[in-house]
Amino acid sequence: DSGVTQTPKHLITATGQRVTLRCSPRSGDLSVYWYQQSLDQGLQFLIQYYNGEERAKGNILERFSAQQFPDLHSELNLSSLELGDSALYFCASSLGSVATGELFFGEGSRLTVL
Amino acid sequence: EDQVTQSPEALRLQEGESSSLNCSYTVSGLRGLFWYRQDPGKGPEFLFTLYSAGEEKEKERLKATLTKKESFLHITAPKPEDSATYLCAVQGQDSNYQLIWGAGTKLIIKP
Repeated sequence: DSGVTQTPKHLITATGQRVTLRCSPRSGDLSVYWYQQSLDQGLQFLIQYYNGEERAKGNILERFSAQQFPDLHSELNLSSLELGDSALYFCASSLGSVATGELFFGEGSRLTVL
Repeated sequence: EDQVTQSPEALRLQEGESSSLNCSYTVSGLRGLFWYRQDPGKGPEFLFTLYSAGEEKEKERLKATLTKKESFLHITAPKPEDSATYLCAVQGQDSNYQLIWGAGTKLIIKP
């Protein structure tokens, strides 16, 4: 158990809809990272938050947004969903603001867009 | 552009049959290379960090090595519980500390 909690584990929705994925980081960790994993592309970094502030941005679409709340949990919002957004979405956490490479991953949220 | 290529895509071994997984990378100034293990339906789990050529790290039946262009994950006398996808990631000096991931090698150990 990594200590990182993600909900929901599975989500099925339709094109055009909006969903919110939630992540609670490991106790004491201040950084939260969001990744997308699809069969053909591997792990793609989306965005990182550190102590409530956006720290780094990867290949995150404009239809996607995220935030980290004062209690350090984070939410990833996906809107105007397309079939291609179907993937596993992982949240990871680390203690510091800089990714040292040792990230603790949750079990992921599997999104299926029909 | 920073890039990571892992080979082979999949590897089937008999229990006890040792082998190696490869991670080739192109990066502008390596800060670190990382190995993770991912079980089906789970998130990746951190294994090793390597920082400079010649460095080696070991954990149970796994040994990771690093050169200036690639890293190897050697698996000695594997057991069925070693079956997983092994992911390699690099952190370059120009990547704003973010990790660039390879697509992984799916390892299957048959009893």
